[in-house]
Amino acid sequence: EADIYQTPRYLVIGTGKKITLECSQTMGHDKMYWYQQDPGMELHLIHYSYGVNSTEKGDLSSESTVSRIRTEHFPLTLESARPSHTSQYLCASSDASGVYNEQFFGPGTRLTVL
Amino acid sequence: KNQVEQSPQSLIILEGKNCTLQCNYTVSPFSNLRWYKQDTGRGPVSLTIMTFSENTKSNGRYTATLDADTKQSSLHITASQLSDSASYICVVSDRGSTLGRLYFGRGTQLTVWP
Repeated sequence: EADIYQTPRYLVIGTGKKITLECSQTMGHDKMYWYQQDPGMELHLIHYSYGVNSTEKGDLSSESTVSRIRTEHFPLTLESARPSHTSQYLCASSDASGVYNEQFFGPGTRLTVL
Repeated sequence: KNQVEQSPQSLIILEGKNCTLQCNYTVSPFSNLRWYKQDTGRGPVSLTIMTFSENTKSNGRYTATLDADTKQSSLHITASQLSDSASYICVVSDRGSTLGRLYFGRGTQLTVWP
């Protein structure tokens, strides 16, 4: 099993709150990713990073922001949560030198905004 | 437009039976195709990865096939077990960018009944 962790696993908060979803990996991977997934739907890439101090927006527009100050840590922040942000958020990482660029996923954070 | 389509959307089988899941894609240029298993409330876990030159790959009771000419793949599960109940996601990677862009299907929800 891959060594990538996400906290919290479940979060229920009220509208307008600031939240940070944590993601850490112990594999030394350079590339990290954040995906958003609604029930029965495909994963959508919202942010990615090639390495420290590198962050890019993905295909799906998101009001969240990310930072990459350390290789192992890639937190996602929502400054003001809204009900439309309710979703599952999955973090992943991959080895930039790998042949397949295989992505290893964390267990996800299920976010509910009331 | 790069897309990944999976069928059926959902499937119910009895324990011990075999089943086959389908995946059609239009992703180009093609790099590799992966099948992931995603348990409810968890992140996806890789089952198989195949490149253009590989047309079959097995992982225990899971056997994936790839026809790069027709852009089709299948995942065959033999002697199903209750623990096979999950969503099975077909993911295709392109080689048109350094990111190794992934295109996700919506998954086939498999339920195995005793």
